[in-house]
Amino acid sequence: QVRLVESGGGVVQPGRSLRLSCAASKFTFSSYSMHWVRQAPGKGLEWVALISYDGRNKFYADSVKGRFTISRDNSKNTLYLQMNSLRVEDTAFYYCAKDGARATTNSYIDYWGQGALVSVSS
Amino acid sequence: QLVLTQSPSASASLGASVKVTCTLSSGHSGYAIAWYQQEPEKGPRYLMNLNSDGSHTRGDGIPDRFSGSSSGAEYYLSISSLQSEDEADYYCQTWDTGIQVFGGGTKLTVL
Repeated sequence: QVRLVESGGGVVQPGRSLRLSCAASKFTFSSYSMHWVRQAPGKGLEWVALISYDGRNKFYADSVKGRFTISRDNSKNTLYLQMNSLRVEDTAFYYCAKDGARATTNSYIDYWGQGALVSVSS
Repeated sequence: QLVLTQSPSASASLGASVKVTCTLSSGHSGYAIAWYQQEPEKGPRYLMNLNSDGSHTRGDGIPDRFSGSSSGAEYYLSISSLQSEDEADYYCQTWDTGIQVFGGGTKLTVL
């Protein structure tokens, strides 16, 4: 069964940085694009970023463009999200998610991690 | 702009059926969408992929009580024989190259 485990969440002050990691297992990580999706407390789902299966293409939501960087290490089956210049409004659960289509840029999401809480507060 | 619109809430009785609606923005057609279920205090779970022609593919382990259909710009998630554990938030989602869009979610209450 596909497994996605996020780590690196925590409490951070506005303007500071944090890096999330997602350890993937039980599927061929290098064949699938990966996503980060977040959910503020009591709110809906918001797509954050996408990286293609080979790492060549990266896309971001306007709300994080220029501040967040998505990356992956296919040799370690690990996805990352570097979050800089954090704002109070970035407070959310961050989910690592696997794209459902093999060797394409993006499609639906078929597996989700359990989420990591990032709280930005002074 | 690619947008999905959902009603904020829906309700139905235990054992009954319910249909949750997701509407694709004007000027967009032929998109496939996906449906997700999110139980309280849990991460989302993939339910199905639904094409614009109404054909759909359920995710691993999703019972056939969950089905999908479509009509024009409207996409539907139908749940039959409602159970208490079906009380959850339901999200639709679509995509284009380099972008993923979620609907605002529908909170389903099982009476």
